[in-house]
Order: sequence, then structure tokens, then C-alpha cells
Amino acid sequence: DQQVKQNSPSLSVQEGRISILNCDYTNSMFDYFLWYKKYPAEGPTFLISISSIKDKNEDGRFTVFLNKSAKHLSLHIVPSQPGDSAVYFCAASAMNRDDKIIFGKGTRLHILP
Amino acid sequence: DAMVIQNPRYQVTQFGKPVTLSCSQTLNHNVMYWYQQKSSQAPKLLFHYYDKDFNNEADTPDNFQSRRPNTSFCFLDIRSPGLGDAAMYLCATSRLVGIAGGYEQYFGPGTRLTVT
Repeated sequence: DQQVKQNSPSLSVQEGRISILNCDYTNSMFDYFLWYKKYPAEGPTFLISISSIKDKNEDGRFTVFLNKSAKHLSLHIVPSQPGDSAVYFCAASAMNRDDKIIFGKGTRLHILP
Repeated sequence: DAMVIQNPRYQVTQFGKPVTLSCSQTLNHNVMYWYQQKSSQAPKLLFHYYDKDFNNEADTPDNFQSRRPNTSFCFLDIRSPGLGDAAMYLCATSRLVGIAGGYEQYFGPGTRLTVT
């Protein structure tokens, strides 16, 4: 049973436009959410995170939005750049319970020239 | 630079022949993780160490074992690899960040295991 779901395996966006990657979760105990970016032949690298006490966190071109009632979060990248082409993993953890982070299957983002 | 290092990057082993994957870190993080990732799937947590405390996932096969002799090193032992164990194996470490807490994991580049 997938606790973290990324329903879009891939997404193509024109360079300069906004990329929106979506993620849903089922476990109401999750209280910390992360996005990771992965290039081929490399390990995932941390991108941005958000605690459940917030509904938005921004870092440069990257913004993560959290809707707790809908158990949904999204990553916005604006403007999208060619170097943003990668696989993006959504992840979640229940910080007060354990040290584990549960990952989604990832969304492959293609930035088109 | 502080980092998570995995050796080797590519490992080929024969069916049933024990294999060990290694991970080292210079971050001095107290939590270390091993994940298995197959193509187009989410990284699947196998086990993790909080300091020397070993935490095994319920669905991790007995075929997979781990050792952490010190803070810096962690090993994944696959006692009798099967064809289904071919995958990317990712090592990660974590630290607590921010006032509200939260775990940010740092990943190594992974070891791709092929079983012949």
C-alpha cells in the first residue's frame, strides 16, 4: 500500500514556464515532507522541505505547497530551466515517531527548449 | 567536501554468491539508511541505524543483513543474491534540521547490483 503517491510518471514543460509536480499521501501521521531531485547515475539530492505547521515554503525558484486537509502537496518550479530536467521524488515522514522517510515513485520532468 | 560515498558504483555477482556493498560518510550523521530502488519505483527502505540501534523493516528479506562498525561506515550484506535482488542500492544519512525539526537525508550515488 503506497503511502506517498506521485500519480504522474512524467511531465513535460516548456523552458521558462511553471512546472507543477503533485504528490498525495495517505498517512495522517506524516508531519514533514520533502522533495528530492535525481539525475541519472546519481543519488537523490535534497531540494526543499515543509513542516506540517506551514502551508508554504519557498526557496528561490522552488516553492512547496501543503494542503493538509486534502493530504496533498505540490512543488512549483518557476521559471523552469533545462537543468531542472530530472526525476523528482516526493517523500514524507512522521518525525515524532521514527526516523524513516517514505518515498513516492517519482515524476520525470522534461524541460523542453 | 563532506559527503556520502558508496563503493563500488557497479557490482556484478553470481546467483547465490554473497556480496557486500559499502557506504561511508564524512558528515558525522548518526542515522544511516539502506534503500533498494528498482526501475521506475520508489526507493524502498530496507533498514536503518540510529547510532548503533538497528531497525529492520518488516518486509526486508532475511537475505539482507547490515553492519555498522562505527559512525562513518555501514555495510549491506546480501547472503545469497537472487535475480530479483538486481537493483540500485542507495545509502543515506540524516540529521535533524530547523526549529521544527525534520530529517533531511543525504544520499550517496548508489551501487548498481547486477546478478548473473
